[in-house]
Amino acid sequence: GAVVSQHPSRVICKSGTSVKIECRSLDFQATTMFWYRQFPKKSLMLMATSNEGSKATYEQGVEKDKFLINHASLTLSTLTVTSAHPEDSSFYICSASIPGTGAGGLFFGSGTQLSVL
Amino acid sequence: GQQLNQSPQSMFIQEGEDVSMNCTSSSIFNTWLWYKQDPGEGPVLLIALYKAGELTSNGRLTAQFGITRKDSFLNISASIPSDVGIYFCAGQLLDTGTASKLTFGTGTRLQVTL
Repeated sequence: GAVVSQHPSRVICKSGTSVKIECRSLDFQATTMFWYRQFPKKSLMLMATSNEGSKATYEQGVEKDKFLINHASLTLSTLTVTSAHPEDSSFYICSASIPGTGAGGLFFGSGTQLSVL
Repeated sequence: GQQLNQSPQSMFIQEGEDVSMNCTSSSIFNTWLWYKQDPGEGPVLLIALYKAGELTSNGRLTAQFGITRKDSFLNISASIPSDVGIYFCAGQLLDTGTASKLTFGTGTRLQVTL
């Protein structure tokens, strides 16, 4: 099946630093990618929709200046958590869709566990 | 944001037993999906449902898209230890060939004992 690669799988950083997370579609081109956030023992909450070549669409309550999304190519979207604080510690997951396949063609990365000290 | 309500929240069953979980929403979705998530991993798609009333199987898994388009259930028959994990339902509003954002359920944590 299609593969979505997410990197790094785990990152620990100091408060105030910025962290970049990469999401790559390895064997297909994805015009749209999605970024989710998941707290321990909780569900996935959509943060933003990343559109290749245009600005990301953020969900209500998500600070776009805090969570910068760049989708510069058809196979790569990045999420940068700027000036990270302990409350930003969470599991971040991306997903990418094979064009024309609908929700059944949506694949998730393996996630990035961010811990901010 | 909106969440779908899943029940039960967690369940402990013995190997070989059948499992049933469901997902309800206050609003209509045109696509329902069921995912399994292992610790520290992203969700993996189990079954996708595209039509109201649709009943679909994938091995020991069977899922149905409710007639009202506001609910879905997932059954697992003859559970085995590797069925352990968190099961999420998810709904998508659009029914076109374009994937749009998903709304996830609250999750059902499954534990299987020998």
